[in-house]
Amino acid sequence: EVQLVESGGGLVQPGGSLRLSCAASGFTFNRHPMHWVRQGPGKGLTWVSRIDGDATSLTYADSVKGRFTISRDNAKSTLYLEMNSLRGEDTAVYYCVRDNGAPENWGQGTLVTVSS
Amino acid sequence: DVVMTQSPLSLPVTLGQPASISCRSSQSLAHRNGNTYLNWFQQRPGQSPRRLIYQVSNRDSGVPDRFSGSGSGTDFTLKISRVEAEDVGVYYCMQSTHWPPYTFGQGTKLEIK
Repeated sequence: EVQLVESGGGLVQPGGSLRLSCAASGFTFNRHPMHWVRQGPGKGLTWVSRIDGDATSLTYADSVKGRFTISRDNAKSTLYLEMNSLRGEDTAVYYCVRDNGAPENWGQGTLVTVSS
Repeated sequence: DVVMTQSPLSLPVTLGQPASISCRSSQSLAHRNGNTYLNWFQQRPGQSPRRLIYQVSNRDSGVPDRFSGSGSGTDFTLKISRVEAEDVGVYYCMQSTHWPPYTFGQGTKLEIK
């Protein structure tokens, strides 16, 4: 069974930084691209970033480009999202998503709140 | 960027009755490889999203056969043949043909009348 468990969320001040992690299990991690997708409070789903299986291709939404960095450690089956220069509009639940031809399996999410 | 537009945004349905959600894209979602990468997700209250349909009409494992997807080009539909109480939630279409970025519709909230 595919399992994705996010962690690292919390309260951070504007301009601050946070690193999210996603521990994956139940599948061959390095064979799958992975995504981060976020959902603001009471809002819809917004794609944030994608990384392919060997981390040679990284893509970002314009709203986070230059501030967020996606990475992965295939030996640890873990996905990361380094978030810098955080803004109020980054407040959201962040989901880790496995790609299996398209985004398929979602974690439970971790809440990031950017506020002073 | 491809804009995904869903309608209606709110869908009250009587138990046992059918429901239909439309999703339109601002450009054709047909990929040059012949596939069309249009997906449907369900998000029940308090839960993470779950994929129901991929490539327009393929149901994911464990998805009841009362859910069906159809369409082509820029017009797509998710149908529920007979709504059950567990179907309450928000439904999103998402395109993965022209990326980045991957783009979602605004969501359609299905509730029981």
